Amino acid sequence: QITLKESGPTLVKPTQTLTLTCTFSGFSLSTSGVGVGWIRQPPGKALEWLALIYWNDDKRYSPSLKSRLTITKDTSKNQVVLTMTNMDPVDTATYYCAHRRSRPDTTENWFDPWGQGTLVTVSS
Amino acid sequence: SYELTQPPSVSVSPGQTARITCSGDALPKQYAYWYQQKPGQAPVLVIYKDSERPSGIPERFSGSSSGTTVTLTISGVQAEDEADYYCQSADSSGIPVVFGGGTKLTVL
Repeated sequence: QITLKESGPTLVKPTQTLTLTCTFSGFSLSTSGVGVGWIRQPPGKALEWLALIYWNDDKRYSPSLKSRLTITKDTSKNQVVLTMTNMDPVDTATYYCAHRRSRPDTTENWFDPWGQGTLVTVSS
Repeated sequence: SYELTQPPSVSVSPGQTARITCSGDALPKQYAYWYQQKPGQAPVLVIYKDSERPSGIPERFSGSSSGTTVTLTISGVQAEDEADYYCQSADSSGIPVVFGGGTKLTVL
């Protein structure tokens, strides 16, 4: 059974850097084809993809946020960390991590399952 | 930037068929995926690769693709299907993940 759980601060101040950790079980990020993604959702709004890291350490970022995001993995700890710099009140959202699925040897990406999400509020 | 377009809302009576569309220029070449999100919960995958249904998802959920539009169909809608539904795909220029704006399904 695959599970993921997000952790990190619930409140950050404007201009600060947000660091979120996704701790997972049921799979290994050293296995070919595996990946973990981050997706966020402002209150009452749509899902927005942020970043994706693959088993081979390939990393992809949303073009609109690329300059502010860094995604890393710690395979030994079964964790993926997302950092977002220069936080702003518009970044207030629930942040989800999710297990990436695909057919072998393809660039397809879908997410199943997702973590429960963590609400991050940006306010002074 | 690439966009996937969904209707903001769809309403159906119990037992009827709900159809939720998602349009995007790259959909003829990229698979689409659908997620169901109930209030206060994380999204759940209900359709992958346009029309495949994950284990545990009821048979009343199905997906189809035609040109630049993909459709999520829920046959015999039940009250428990009331939720937000999001499509997801990729664009043709290397952006691996794009989400649609979501559709709120209301069961009357």
